[in-house]
Amino acid sequence: QKEVEQDPGPLSVPEGAIVSLNCTYSNSAFQYFMWYRQYSRKGPELLMYTYSSGNKEDGRFTAQVDKSSKYISLFIRDSQPSDSATYLCAMSGRPNAGKSTFGDGTTLTVKP
Amino acid sequence: DVKVTQSSRYLVKRTGEKVFLECVQDMDHENMFWYRQDPGLGLRLIYFSYDVKMKEKGDIPEGYSVSREKKERFSLILESASTNQTSMYLCASTEYRGDGNTIYFGEGSWLTVV
Repeated sequence: QKEVEQDPGPLSVPEGAIVSLNCTYSNSAFQYFMWYRQYSRKGPELLMYTYSSGNKEDGRFTAQVDKSSKYISLFIRDSQPSDSATYLCAMSGRPNAGKSTFGDGTTLTVKP
Repeated sequence: DVKVTQSSRYLVKRTGEKVFLECVQDMDHENMFWYRQDPGLGLRLIYFSYDVKMKEKGDIPEGYSVSREKKERFSLILESASTNQTSMYLCASTEYRGDGNTIYFGEGSWLTVV
């Protein structure tokens, strides 16, 4: 079983919808939880990161971490066609604190 | 803003050629990484370096080597390129903290081996 599992998608929503992207993990020592957006033929761009539990908001994006359930989510409000991309979750923590573990990505399409 | 710069975005090389992919970061990060990304296979770690002249193999090091002569620069070398090394290569560096890190990527280098 993989250390990080990401909802595979693909996901297709109408413009203006609320999008929920999710990952589960098995390593209880993970402390840093990151979300990346990757457009076609480009490198992943760090959207947000959260340390330990809780919520973090940045504009239309909200990241949530529930360490008791080993579950993280990224919510996108008022989704736009420009949000169409692949979203990757990533996590890091002990014992290999210098490396990150990634989900396989969820491809989102927002239709005008 | 953190900047990770990969010098070549698109390359076409012939089988058997030696290929150099260069990466520079400007944030004084200790750790640097090379990944390859293929459809359906996700991100796979090739090599990483946690200090100058230090390197460790990742999950798929065969056919690759690396060089880190300066802290800001990490190079990936394909000694003899083969068609199965056609892929997107991503360089990354991390802001390392004792209990984890946040990782920043470059724009990617698309390599086609013919």
